[in-house]
Amino acid sequence: GAVVSQHPSRVICKSGTSVKIECRSLDFQATTMFWYRQFPKQSLMLMATSNEGSKATYEQGVEKDKFLINHASLTLSTLTVTSAHPEDSSFYICSATKLKNTEAFFGQGTRLTVV
Amino acid sequence: QQPVQSPQAVILREGEDAVINCSSSKALYSVHWYRQKHGEAPVFLMILLKGGEQKGHDKISASFNEKKQQSSLYLTASQLSYSGTYFCGTEMNSGYALNFGKGTSLLVTP
Repeated sequence: GAVVSQHPSRVICKSGTSVKIECRSLDFQATTMFWYRQFPKQSLMLMATSNEGSKATYEQGVEKDKFLINHASLTLSTLTVTSAHPEDSSFYICSATKLKNTEAFFGQGTRLTVV
Repeated sequence: QQPVQSPQAVILREGEDAVINCSSSKALYSVHWYRQKHGEAPVFLMILLKGGEQKGHDKISASFNEKKQQSSLYLTASQLSYSGTYFCGTEMNSGYALNFGKGTSLLVTP
């Protein structure tokens, strides 16, 4: 089956530094990938839609200059959390769909802790 | 646009049944159901595309009433492995991102 791989699974960084999270579709090409954030015991909240070869579409309230998304190829999207602060600590997860009207495959998620 | 799930939490004894509901205030193209264990990524259960569609595998099934903009997930003869948080994800149009409900926490006890 289709697999989406996310890296790293856990990261601890100092406040003020930047962290890059990678999301790869391993056996299919994904022109669109989605980035979600999930706080403890809460739902997955869509942050942005990553489009291959064009700018990402951000949801209302998500700072595009803080959460940089790059979708340089059909199998890779990256999310960079810039100048991270403790309130950015969360579970970040990406997803992609192989075909229309089929399941969304999720990456394993990245647990970000900013200290 | 976030769908509303109910109930918030359910505790069952092994072998009991449960129903989780998901409703939207907007017209839906599809409804997806996922189960998430603590600290893990959501796992796909099923997708429903058409009004009135019903699907199921093993002892988990779901229905989608397009007119009522509602979907229900049915868990019968629950097993311990069913424990987790269940999310419905709704899609307004094909290819759009999923909007997830707040989740229903399900605990199955021996």
